[in-house]
Amino acid sequence: NAGVTQTPKFRVLKTGQSMTLLCAQDMNHEYMYWYRQDPGMGLRLIHYSVGEGTTAKGEVPDGYNVSRLKKQNFLLGLESAAPSQTSVYFCASTETDAGNNEQFFGPGTRLTVL
Amino acid sequence: EDQVTQSPEALRLQEGESSSLNCSYTVSGLRGLFWYRQDPGKGPEFLFTLYSAGEEKEKERLKATLTKKESFLHITAPKPEDSATYLCAVQAWGSQGNLIFGKGTKLSVKP
Repeated sequence: NAGVTQTPKFRVLKTGQSMTLLCAQDMNHEYMYWYRQDPGMGLRLIHYSVGEGTTAKGEVPDGYNVSRLKKQNFLLGLESAAPSQTSVYFCASTETDAGNNEQFFGPGTRLTVL
Repeated sequence: EDQVTQSPEALRLQEGESSSLNCSYTVSGLRGLFWYRQDPGKGPEFLFTLYSAGEEKEKERLKATLTKKESFLHITAPKPEDSATYLCAVQAWGSQGNLIFGKGTKLSVKP
């Protein structure tokens, strides 16, 4: 099992460019999450999904869109990147919110917006 | 508002010098409290989940405890390989699994 994988690992964008970050999990988990991590801020939830075809907003959703067309994949899109979106992005998944519901994290994507 | 505060922000220990990290929380109905370890340039790695006050869990040199207001991560006789940032997070009932994270404690263990 690869667990949670993220593509790409690094990316540099210019202000106004768009991109999509891909998260994939092979654990058959229902729930998936996108976080950003900034120095001194901790991990903050951007968007999440409780199943294929569903998405919901987290704490800091502005400037991002997401899609969950397949159960194993969760995509995070930036339509018009801004320097404030420079961050490290982590994807996580969990089976459901019942039982042993620890979240498993991917290795992260380091994004710089110039 | 659900909130997690971790202290200290940074902790430097000598190898073998035991200590504790604190996680204070306020949450509208605690579903679970989670501890993660994060190494530089990597994603958080799950350590423990605690569900009710009085619960304790252990893994090697780490022991996590929980009260109604805070959790402690006790590190006994730490080694340099225990150096990492330790993250605490809470999950509320009805939150659809969402976690509220603290800012973390960066632990450095010198040989």
